[in-house]
Amino acid sequence: GESVGLHLPTLSVQEGDNSIINCAYSNSASDYFIWYKQESGKGPQFIIDIRSNMDKRQGQRVTVLLNKTVKHLSLQIAATQPGDSAVYFCAEKVYSSASKIIFGSGTRLSIRP
Amino acid sequence: DAGITQSPRHKVTETGTPVTLRCHQTENHRYMYWYRQDPGHGLRLIHYSYGVKDTDKGEVSDGYSVSRSKTEDFLLTLESATSSQTSVYFCAISPGTALNTEAFFGQGTRLTVV
Repeated sequence: GESVGLHLPTLSVQEGDNSIINCAYSNSASDYFIWYKQESGKGPQFIIDIRSNMDKRQGQRVTVLLNKTVKHLSLQIAATQPGDSAVYFCAEKVYSSASKIIFGSGTRLSIRP
Repeated sequence: DAGITQSPRHKVTETGTPVTLRCHQTENHRYMYWYRQDPGHGLRLIHYSYGVKDTDKGEVSDGYSVSRSKTEDFLLTLESATSSQTSVYFCAISPGTALNTEAFFGQGTRLTVV
């Protein structure tokens, strides 16, 4: 079945360091993998996605890596800032006429000053 | 919030009563989703819609029904609310094209069933 899960529920990082958030998935048929950020009291916000035929994609201060061999993806945040404090979710999507987006359980990122 | 509004934002209801949550969008996006969020479970898909009158079940659809009679509105109904349905409910919309996976979320509805 479809399953997207996160390795760690919490991550504490020193301000200015790089953060790496990991995610495992089980559905090899997924077309896209997506990262969302959720701040307290708000709905999730799209960060970046990666298509299943790619290994790496970069955005502004973020990089997503996809390893299909071990069904693992990661989100790297460069020079972590206090504003990066949030819960991060990975999600997967199978593109079809009835596309649905399935989320993992989330990792809380906290920033130490 | 990308033209998506959830109502009500907060609701307290009694066990056994019917409850309807509304999601309204002004983006004309094809896809609409209802999720619930509980501690330790992340976001779980309840139902989703891929067009007017086209809906399908998600991971946790038992006890919920949906309707989409027009593009802009997606209604989630709890036929007979139970305490296990106390949660924060999020609606999301998405263009759903092959080149665009981005989903936009509403602010959420906090539902308490007592």
